[in-house]
Amino acid sequence: EDQVTQSPEALRLQEGESSSLNCSYTVSGLRGLFWYRQDPGKGPEFLFTLYSAGEEKEKERLKATLTKKESFLHITAPKPEDSATYLCAVNYGGSQGNLIFGKGTKLSVKP
Amino acid sequence: NAGVTQTPKFQVLKTGQSMTLQCAQDMNHNSMYWYRQDPGMGLRLIYYSASEGTTDKGEVPNGYNVSRLNKREFSLRLESAAPSQTSVYFCASSATGRSNQPQHFGDGTRLSIL
Repeated sequence: EDQVTQSPEALRLQEGESSSLNCSYTVSGLRGLFWYRQDPGKGPEFLFTLYSAGEEKEKERLKATLTKKESFLHITAPKPEDSATYLCAVNYGGSQGNLIFGKGTKLSVKP
Repeated sequence: NAGVTQTPKFQVLKTGQSMTLQCAQDMNHNSMYWYRQDPGMGLRLIYYSASEGTTDKGEVPNGYNVSRLNKREFSLRLESAAPSQTSVYFCASSATGRSNQPQHFGDGTRLSIL
C-alpha cells in the first residue's frame, strides 16, 4: 500500500535551534514530492516541489532535500513565525495529479 | 490576488440536510480538487476534475457529488448529510493534472453535522 509517513508528529524548538522534519514514502514510481505549510484555520500553502533523488530546494530558513525513500525539511535558526504544521505529499502518478498526504508535523518555535 | 476562494467558511447542518460547498479559482487553472481533513488523518481526496467537463472519484467519494460548473468553479454537494461528514473541506487547483504541478488550496469550509 502506498504510504507517506511524517515524523515527528510534533516538534518544539527554541528560537535559533535548527532541526529537521522527516517524510518517508513507500510509493512506487514517485513523480513528485511536495512540501506545504499550514497555519491554524488556513489552507495548506505550497512551499517546494522535489522530483528526483539528490535534489534540494531552499526558501529563507527552509531547505528541502530528497532521497529515494524520504525527504527532509531542514529548518535553520527558526523564528516563532515558522510555527505551523508542515505537510508532505507525494504524487505517484496513479491518476492525474493526485496526491497522498502525510499527517503532518506540528512545529512550535518558542522565543 | 484571491487564488482559491471557498464559501461558506463555516456551516452547521442537521443530519439529513443537504448543502453545496462552493469553490472558485482565478488562476486560470485546468484542474480542481476537493479534499477533507480530519484530526489525526492526512488530507483525503474526495473528487477531482482534471479539466472542464470531467470529474472523477477520489479516495473517499461516498456521500458526495460534484459539479464542474465552468473552468473557474467546482462545487461539492452533500445530498443527505451524516455526522461522519463533519470535517474541514478544502478545495484546490493546479495548472494541469500533471504530476509536476503543485496544487494551491483555499482556506477551507468548516462543516459540522449534528
